[in-house]
Amino acid sequence: QVQLVQSGAEVKKPGASVKVSCKSSGYTFTRYGINWVRQAPGQGLEWMGWINPYNGNTNYAQRLQGRVTLTTDTSTSTAYMELRSLRSDDTAVYYCASGVTTFDYWGQGTLVTVSS
Amino acid sequence: DIQMTQSPSSLSASVRDRVTITCRASQSINSYLNWYQQKPGRAPRLLIYTASSLQSGVPSRFSGSGSGTDFTLTISSLQPEDFATYYCQQTYSTPWTFGQGTKVEIK
Repeated sequence: QVQLVQSGAEVKKPGASVKVSCKSSGYTFTRYGINWVRQAPGQGLEWMGWINPYNGNTNYAQRLQGRVTLTTDTSTSTAYMELRSLRSDDTAVYYCASGVTTFDYWGQGTLVTVSS
Repeated sequence: DIQMTQSPSSLSASVRDRVTITCRASQSINSYLNWYQQKPGRAPRLLIYTASSLQSGVPSRFSGSGSGTDFTLTISSLQPEDFATYYCQQTYSTPWTFGQGTKVEIK
């Protein structure tokens, strides 16, 4: 069965960077895109960006452009999301989700807390 | 960016009630509209895609309709496991955007 397993919770200081991983199994990794979505405490869902594991093409949300980088390692079927220059309002649960225009499968989420 | 507006923001309903949630897009998105269910502490789950297609494994009491700017998610007979927050999402143009969510609570 399809599974996306994310790395564990992180605590970071303002100005630092965080890199979250998302390991896929149960399907051909290069066949579907990987989206990243975040959810601040008690808030709704915010799309961050998308990567095509087949060719590395990316599409980022404008408001995060320049601070976020999505990458993949096809040898391990793993996607990565790196967010730089962290601020307190980046505190959120970060999800990976497979698919392009339908987010069929989701990781379990990774809580990133930004606090001094 | 395309704005997605859901109504109501929350509702209280009883088991076996018929529940309807609406989602309006700030411009036409054809049928590029998905619905997700999220329970506390869990990742969202895809229910409906392209406005009216039921995702595999989702109970048939869930249905979606609409096109253009106005969409509806209907739960024909609310079950205890359906108490959750529901989000619409447009995938007509990036950035993909979500509605603010509708929380369905027990009356």
